[in-house]
Amino acid sequence: GAGVSQSPSNKVTEKGKDVELRCDPISGHTALYWYRQRLGQGLEFLIYFQGNSAPDKSGLPSDRFSAERTGESVSTLTIQRTQQEDSAVYLCASSPSRTSTNTGELFFGEGSRLTVL
Amino acid sequence: GNSVTQMEGPVTLSEEAFLTINCTYTATGYPSLFWYVQYPGEGLQLLLKATKADDKGSNKGFEATYRKETTSFHLEKGSVQVSDSAVYFCALSSSNTGKLIFGQGTTLQVKP
Repeated sequence: GAGVSQSPSNKVTEKGKDVELRCDPISGHTALYWYRQRLGQGLEFLIYFQGNSAPDKSGLPSDRFSAERTGESVSTLTIQRTQQEDSAVYLCASSPSRTSTNTGELFFGEGSRLTVL
Repeated sequence: GNSVTQMEGPVTLSEEAFLTINCTYTATGYPSLFWYVQYPGEGLQLLLKATKADDKGSNKGFEATYRKETTSFHLEKGSVQVSDSAVYFCALSSSNTGKLIFGQGTTLQVKP
């Protein structure tokens, strides 16, 4: 029973380049979430997938950020034209199903640390 | 909107000391409340949760009680160990998407 897997674990890129971050959720988990954790700060919600649709993308900070998910499996978060303020740890989480109000536990990966020079 | 506020860290304690990490929230409706923990080099994991007012969540000697009247969910442990050194996050969930809203995290360092 593998947990949530994220890759790469570390990524250093130059300002202006595009990056892709990958998340493999726990098998069978239909809900998938992306969060961003800047140094010394809490987790910021970015986007939520139920299956391969994204009913809540309210946390995406700009149109440089996009995400997709194939089926109920892998998700990719893409950041175009990276800026230094994009430097953060990007965390992915999954859960078994769309939760009814208030009860869900999220299972987190270890994150992808992005550094933009 | 919904939000979570935690006490700022870092918190430094000696082994066997009593721990309290304060957490208060603002939310519409009746959220579920969570404490997550992030040990060094590991992903976040659920420590405990409470889904309705007056519920007490507990795990690994940690406890937190859902107080609706004070909109709080303070984390407590009677006797901390060095192995409890980690970052602790308070969170709430109040939408039908299961999205969690997190506090900023509190770093706990326990010294022998």
